[in-house]
Amino acid sequence: EAGVAQSPRYKIIEKRQSVAFWCNPISGHATLYWYQQILGQGPKLLIQFQNNGVVDDSQLPKDRFSAERLKGVDSTLKIQPAKLEDSAVYLCASSSSGIYNEQFFGPGTRLTVL
Amino acid sequence: GDSVTQMEGPVTLSEEAFLTINCTYTATGYPSLFWYVQYPGEGLQLLLKATKADDKGSNKGFEATYRKETTSFHLEKGSVQVSDSAVYFCALRVRGNQFYFGTGTSLTVIP
Repeated sequence: EAGVAQSPRYKIIEKRQSVAFWCNPISGHATLYWYQQILGQGPKLLIQFQNNGVVDDSQLPKDRFSAERLKGVDSTLKIQPAKLEDSAVYLCASSSSGIYNEQFFGPGTRLTVL
Repeated sequence: GDSVTQMEGPVTLSEEAFLTINCTYTATGYPSLFWYVQYPGEGLQLLLKATKADDKGSNKGFEATYRKETTSFHLEKGSVQVSDSAVYFCALRVRGNQFYFGTGTSLTVIP
């Protein structure tokens, strides 16, 4: 079974630039999550999709962050414009709909904002 | 609100020592509980899970018991190895398939 795919693995940009991350979840997983993990901290949920609908985006800084999941499969997360404090690893995870099922994580995208 | 509180690190142990990493939670209803591990340079991986009170999750010599009365899910291993050096995250899953993570505990095992 293929895992969660993310790209790019690394990205370096200057502040005020834009950046986009891509995620392909495990086939058949209805739920997709984007997390932000700042160095030394635990993952913080940014947005959760169920199929192509948003379940929770309460911690997404909507003035600069946006995410979509067209057709309920792949997803993109965008930051525009980036700030220094956005430097972090952005993790994508997916899970199936069973109530006891865990999340499977992708390798993450390490973003550095200079 | 729902949350997880983890023992702060870093933790440094000698090989074959006993490991405990404390985790307590706050949640309404009946959450599922998880331990994830992040090895250096790698992504998060599920280590073990428990879905109801008194369940014991186990994997790779690690164990954790879901204690509803103390709202805890402490991670234990009887004899750690150098290869166990990693960051360990406690997490809970609540209604709506939402997950909350602790801040992580870094473990270093020295030979």
